[in-house]
Amino acid sequence: ELKVEQNPLFLSMQEGKNYTIYCNYSTTSDRLYWYRQDPGKSLESLFVLLSNGAVKQEGRLMASLDTKARLSTLHITAAVHDLSATYFCAVTSWDMRFGAGTRLTVKP
Amino acid sequence: GAVVSQHPSWVICKSGTSVKIECRSLDFQATTMFWYRQFPKQSLMLMATSNEGSKATYEQGVEKDKFLINHASLTLSTLTVTSAHPEDSSFYICSARGQDNGYTFGSGTRLTVV
Repeated sequence: ELKVEQNPLFLSMQEGKNYTIYCNYSTTSDRLYWYRQDPGKSLESLFVLLSNGAVKQEGRLMASLDTKARLSTLHITAAVHDLSATYFCAVTSWDMRFGAGTRLTVKP
Repeated sequence: GAVVSQHPSWVICKSGTSVKIECRSLDFQATTMFWYRQFPKQSLMLMATSNEGSKATYEQGVEKDKFLINHASLTLSTLTVTSAHPEDSSFYICSARGQDNGYTFGSGTRLTVV
């Protein structure tokens, strides 16, 4: 069974600083996804990474994929308060499996 | 973009009753539908996978007689929680996979069993 490990589980960030969330997965997969979830809401798609070396950026978030290491990172640059949310990575093979999530809070 | 309409967004029911949750793909054909359950402050756990016209495949530990899934058409899948109990209270989310292998999530249903 495809397993997805995400860390850290909790991240308390200071505004203006940089942080990274890591996502490891156990077997070869088709695609890797990053989602954001606000309390009481469903998932908001952030990135889809398809191939080794893929890098995507949107605003203060940048995601990368290393399929050889089975590792993806979500890098946060100069954190701001509105990034506070829970972030999930997910990996697909036959179905989609999720990491445990990283609960991110940004403090002034 | 692809949209999946999920209803109801929230429901409160009495213990022992049944609740049906509906997911409809509005502008694409969902070859496969996935149903997830999310307890507070936890991740999404896959409950079952269904293909149109076939019986659903349930994950280990998920009771197929309690969580009835119907995927009768390429645009509609339903999850019925039968004889609901307070421990079934959770956030249920569907996800539809289209022919391009893209995944689209519904808006979720918060079920509270009292």
